[in-house]
Amino acid sequence: KNEVEQSPQNLTAQEGEFITINCSYSVGISALHWLQQHPGGGIVSLFMLSSGKKKHGRLIATINIQEKHSSLHITASHPRDSAVYICAVGGNTDKLIFGTGTRLQVFP
Amino acid sequence: DSGVTQTPKHLITATGQRVTLRCSPRSGDLSVYWYQQSLDQGLQFLIQYYNGEERAKGNILERFSAQQFPDLHSELNLSSLELGDSALYFCASSVGVGVSTDTQYFGPGTRLTVL
Repeated sequence: KNEVEQSPQNLTAQEGEFITINCSYSVGISALHWLQQHPGGGIVSLFMLSSGKKKHGRLIATINIQEKHSSLHITASHPRDSAVYICAVGGNTDKLIFGTGTRLQVFP
Repeated sequence: DSGVTQTPKHLITATGQRVTLRCSPRSGDLSVYWYQQSLDQGLQFLIQYYNGEERAKGNILERFSAQQFPDLHSELNLSSLELGDSALYFCASSVGVGVSTDTQYFGPGTRLTVL
């Protein structure tokens, strides 16, 4: 079993829909990162969080440390949100452990 | 544009060869991280340097080595290349030393194809 599991693996949505991507982890962590990888391959860091909730524009990330679970929400989804979303956890070992990613396609 | 640059963008080489990938971090960032992304393994951490010193090591093969120079740019050397080394190699940088405290900024990646 992977230390970081994401669900779903693939997600399709219509423009305007509310989207949720989940991340569960089995190791102790100090922080969790959400990354976005565009079809061209470039990776952008969206959030780094260790507790509670963060919001940036239409994106919201939450984490529940007790349940070892994080969610990434996208409100009012748009075709430009189509990308792979990757969850990564950082613990005491100073290295990130990555989930396998969730491929999101938003259709007009 | 993250401010992290990587060269070359694409590299095609043959098995058994040696290549060098180069990364320049964002201005002011002291940490450089190297990652490998292959189709079957996803993103994997290889190695981190902080201000010229090796800071953390991940699943880096003995055939691979890296260093960070005084001007803070970094190079990843891959030798005795095998077909399975074909992947995207990303460099990222951050201000500080901790994956738990610092946002990482990723370069555009180098796509390595080993034939």
